[in-house]
Amino acid sequence: RKEVEQDPGPFNVPEGATVAFNCTYSNSASQSFFWYRQDCRKEPKLLMSVYSSGNEDGRFTAQLNRASQYISLLIRDSKLSDSATYLCVVNIFWGKLQFGAGTQVVVTP
Amino acid sequence: GAVVSQHPSWVICKSGTSVKIECRSLDFQATTMFWYRQFPKQSLMLMATSNEGSKATYEQGVEKDKFLINHASLTLSTLTVTSAHPEDSSFYICRPTSGRAPDTQYFGPGTRLTVL
Repeated sequence: RKEVEQDPGPFNVPEGATVAFNCTYSNSASQSFFWYRQDCRKEPKLLMSVYSSGNEDGRFTAQLNRASQYISLLIRDSKLSDSATYLCVVNIFWGKLQFGAGTQVVVTP
Repeated sequence: GAVVSQHPSWVICKSGTSVKIECRSLDFQATTMFWYRQFPKQSLMLMATSNEGSKATYEQGVEKDKFLINHASLTLSTLTVTSAHPEDSSFYICRPTSGRAPDTQYFGPGTRLTVL
């Protein structure tokens, strides 16, 4: 079983629509959680941290459920520029990150 | 934000040659360096962790004699792929962190290695 699992997609989303997807993690001792965005042939870039209380950054909302060990990301009012692969990332300890394989989102006009 | 550079950004080499990849943290002292590789449509996989001035710790399945890591200074770490083979073709990415900020989220821009 993979330590961080994501639906690879692709999620094809009309511009302006909402899309949501999850990831699950296996290490219950994981300390912190993040969503990254990765564009084709580029390095990952931090999109947002994920907090237990849930947090929002503009059109992006992240949720963490420690009991069920899953993290979610919701994108509202999708833009063409949101097309990317979204990586679920878990910090297991002292900066050691585990990455999901990513969920591909394709926003169409 | 922190700036991290990697050189080269891409390299094509013949099988059997060695390739050195440099990672520099330009505006903070990287006491720890994480090296990852990413195959197409797969997740980033941690290869090794190095602390400045110490030997690197390699993840299971990563050959330490094949992937030589040097972290001799707080601003530079190198990864050398020795006797590269086509299966080593991948995207190699570094992530420097400092002791005060182990969660530092800045990655190098990556080096795309293609071994013919």
